[in-house]
Amino acid sequence: GESVGLHLPTLSVQEGDNSIINCAYSNSASDYFIWYKQESGKGPQFIIDIRSNMDKRQGQRVTVLLNKTVKHLSLQIAATQPGDSAVYFCAENLGGSNYKLTFGKGTLLTVNP
Amino acid sequence: GAVVSQHPSRVICKSGTSVKIECRSLDFQATTMFWYRQFPKQSLMLMATSNEGSKATYEQGVEKDKFLINHASLTLSTLTVTSAHPEDSSFYICSARDRVVYNEQFFGPGTRLTVL
Repeated sequence: GESVGLHLPTLSVQEGDNSIINCAYSNSASDYFIWYKQESGKGPQFIIDIRSNMDKRQGQRVTVLLNKTVKHLSLQIAATQPGDSAVYFCAENLGGSNYKLTFGKGTLLTVNP
Repeated sequence: GAVVSQHPSRVICKSGTSVKIECRSLDFQATTMFWYRQFPKQSLMLMATSNEGSKATYEQGVEKDKFLINHASLTLSTLTVTSAHPEDSSFYICSARDRVVYNEQFFGPGTRLTVL
């Protein structure tokens, strides 16, 4: 979703349900995308990545989908657990030799037991 | 492997003083280190990119004379916030790009700066 002002988009799910977190990226030339999880007061933690020549990649309990036509990225978390509660950011690499990342606005995921 | 540390984790200082934050790659060599700032409930904003042995490249709107970055070795970068003001209070996060696995960035745990 889109963020308004200083409020993070939020997603609240029940434990055991599947979660889908969405992200719109800005640059059609971006060739590498990453999802990060950030718990309160900590640095971002790598979850999964995908290159622009792919449209789907699966990890353990997570799947990333890439739709380049509409510049959209999603993260699916299967069987969501309370430990998954955190803020999730997508990031895009704009290319170039330094591999700079541009972060999306973030989504706060709350898992209810 | 691929651990990045930051020191200190929290710092409180008086307005007008300078604060130095260290970022270290503990088990790999980092060709490039990045510094981000994050305000509450907001995303990470890239401040600057530093390459070992050369001057940092600052993002638009970031004052290079206020945020001094030094990247003297392949495992250490420092960010010094000079003449800190309350509006500099934020969460500062560094990341390091592995010299070998060059497309991955590993993030530090962040430093909470509070300027009184």
